[in-house]
Amino acid sequence: QVQLQESGPGLVKPSETLSLTCTVSGGSVSSGAYLWSWIRQPPGKGLEWIGYVSYSGSTNYNPSLKSRVTISLDTSKNQFSLKLTSVTAADTAVYYCARDAPRGNYYSLDFWGQGTLFTVSS
Amino acid sequence: QSVLTQPPSASGTPGQRVTISCSGSSSNIRNNYVYWYQQLPGTAPKLLICGNNQRPSGVPDRFSGSKSGTSASLAISGLRAEDEADYYCATWEDSLSGRVFGGGTKLTVL
Repeated sequence: QVQLQESGPGLVKPSETLSLTCTVSGGSVSSGAYLWSWIRQPPGKGLEWIGYVSYSGSTNYNPSLKSRVTISLDTSKNQFSLKLTSVTAADTAVYYCARDAPRGNYYSLDFWGQGTLFTVSS
Repeated sequence: QSVLTQPPSASGTPGQRVTISCSGSSSNIRNNYVYWYQQLPGTAPKLLICGNNQRPSGVPDRFSGSKSGTSASLAISGLRAEDEADYYCATWEDSLSGRVFGGGTKLTVL
């Protein structure tokens, strides 16, 4: 059973950089075909897809965040990470990491981390 | 403002059948697969339906999904108290080359 766990500082100041890590157990981030994704949810609001990194390191980002987002893979630690620069209060949210697995000719976000609350405040 | 439109709330009594709609467009639902996620209070979303109407292992057959044109629906039959949760539809948006989610529907079991 694949498990994902987010980690990182829960509070940063406006204009600083958010850095979160997702540690994967029960599977390898370098296994072929999987995509490793980040999704966020502002308090009391809906889900927003941030982007993903593939097992080969290629990425795809939400256009609304693309200029500020970097998602990368660390195969030596079986982790993937999220960096979001120039944060504002609008970036305050629960951040989830998830595995995007192929099922035939489509992908599904089938395993999710428990989520971590990230707050932007001075 | 979500690309996919869901009713903000839905309700039903135990044993009843309820449906939750998800309305999109030709650049998302029409040409792509639809997914449904269940989010119980204080927990991470859980994949409920993938590929329009496929249930992952472990999901009860009380849950079913369908798609027609630019809309999709989630049906829950034999409603139970433990089904009280937020439900989100999702798909791929061609114009953004990325995933999009609906705004979510809060299901209340009366």
